[in-house]
Amino acid sequence: DAKTTQPNSMESNEEEPVHLPCNHSTISGTDYIHWYRQLPSQGPEYVIHGLTSNVNNRMASLAIAEDRKSSTLILHRATLRDAAVYYCILTGSARQLTFGSGTQLTVLP
Amino acid sequence: DTGVSQNPRHKITKRGQNVTFRCDPISEHNRLYWYRQTLGQGPEFLTYFQNEAQLEKSRLLSDRFSAERPKGSFSTLEIQRTEQGDSAMYLCASSTHRLSYNEQFFGPGTRLTVL
Repeated sequence: DAKTTQPNSMESNEEEPVHLPCNHSTISGTDYIHWYRQLPSQGPEYVIHGLTSNVNNRMASLAIAEDRKSSTLILHRATLRDAAVYYCILTGSARQLTFGSGTQLTVLP
Repeated sequence: DTGVSQNPRHKITKRGQNVTFRCDPISEHNRLYWYRQTLGQGPEFLTYFQNEAQLEKSRLLSDRFSAERPKGSFSTLEIQRTEQGDSAMYLCASSTHRLSYNEQFFGPGTRLTVL
């Protein structure tokens, strides 16, 4: 599986935008980029996914570099409830998700 | 539908005992996954079912571990002769083939502590 690299931790102030980066330089042409997050004491939850184009949904936006070697998850206005571990995952033909260590996001009031 | 449920939520056992966990996926989700998560790490894949067929097993799934999904509905994960290294959160997830991007819905997990 292609590997992703994320910062171990990031901080943000409440109600400010947050940009969570992910590097995936060995991504293949058929790999989708998925983001999941895991709130404390809960299972992971799906956030967003994309292939080549930028994507928006009610939770976040996903900006994908033109060469697809990196992507950025954007939370437009962070709230305290967004404090979680955010995982960037590449999915190809495999059904299972391969999680890394993710980025621990701390939101400061 | 209230999502994926897992029972029990917590299990404390002594080394050498057998334990069994249950996962009830979202209704009509034909795909079911088991993952294991240790403190500070992301979840690691254990095994995957499509309907009642177990299609993939990770190398992490030693022969002390067995998973079943009779009739393609709920699933059980059994660990025999537990070891302290089995202490972890065991997560179950389900998904449907109707979504092309395989969004997985996770349960709250079962936390296993082996003394």
